[in-house]
Amino acid sequence: GNSVTQMEGPVTLSEEAFLTINCTYTATGYPSLFWYVQYPGEGLQLLLKATKADDKGSNKGFEATYRKETTSFHLEKGSVQVSDSAVYFCALTSLSGSARQLTFGSGTQLTVLP
Amino acid sequence: GAVVSQHPSRVICKSGTSVKIECRSLDFQATTMFWYRQFPKQSLMLMATSNEGSKATYEQGVEKDKFLINHASLTLSTLTVTSAHPEDSSFYICSARVFGPAQETQYFGPGTRLLVL
Repeated sequence: GNSVTQMEGPVTLSEEAFLTINCTYTATGYPSLFWYVQYPGEGLQLLLKATKADDKGSNKGFEATYRKETTSFHLEKGSVQVSDSAVYFCALTSLSGSARQLTFGSGTQLTVLP
Repeated sequence: GAVVSQHPSRVICKSGTSVKIECRSLDFQATTMFWYRQFPKQSLMLMATSNEGSKATYEQGVEKDKFLINHASLTLSTLTVTSAHPEDSSFYICSARVFGPAQETQYFGPGTRLLVL
């Protein structure tokens, strides 16, 4: 079946540090890949996505490239801010019955210190 | 992006009562919505897929008589937790599926925190 494996947290960084959160996946067919962010007490927000191999998703300084050869979709940001502190979820869509369902990774807690 | 709202954002109830949670797509129509449950510091667990005008599809292990889902219109799905017990306390999140050209995306509501005393 489909699965998403995320780098375990928590991750603690100083402001302006470089961020990488690893994500690898197992899927049949050609899934779309997503990163969602969840701020404390809130629901998930779509951060970025990529729908085919070699696509790069980007938003708010975050980037991730869909690597089919390594089945990876690592999240990166060159200079993190305190406001980036949140839980980050890697996810993919899988076709199940009549609806595409999201399969989530376990989430990675990021804390950025001033 | 598309906006999904949930109401209420937080609810506290006594054991044995029923609680209804609403999920609305505010600026688009959604034939399919999803309901998730999230335990503290864990990932989201898909509970069911809500289809407008038809019965919901429940994931294995989710009691359909316990978690009633109604998707009566293209902008509203409701989840009713019947005869709630303390173990039902959790963070419930809905999402709505949006189709774009050759791709689709799920947009999530802000979640509803349920505490059953």
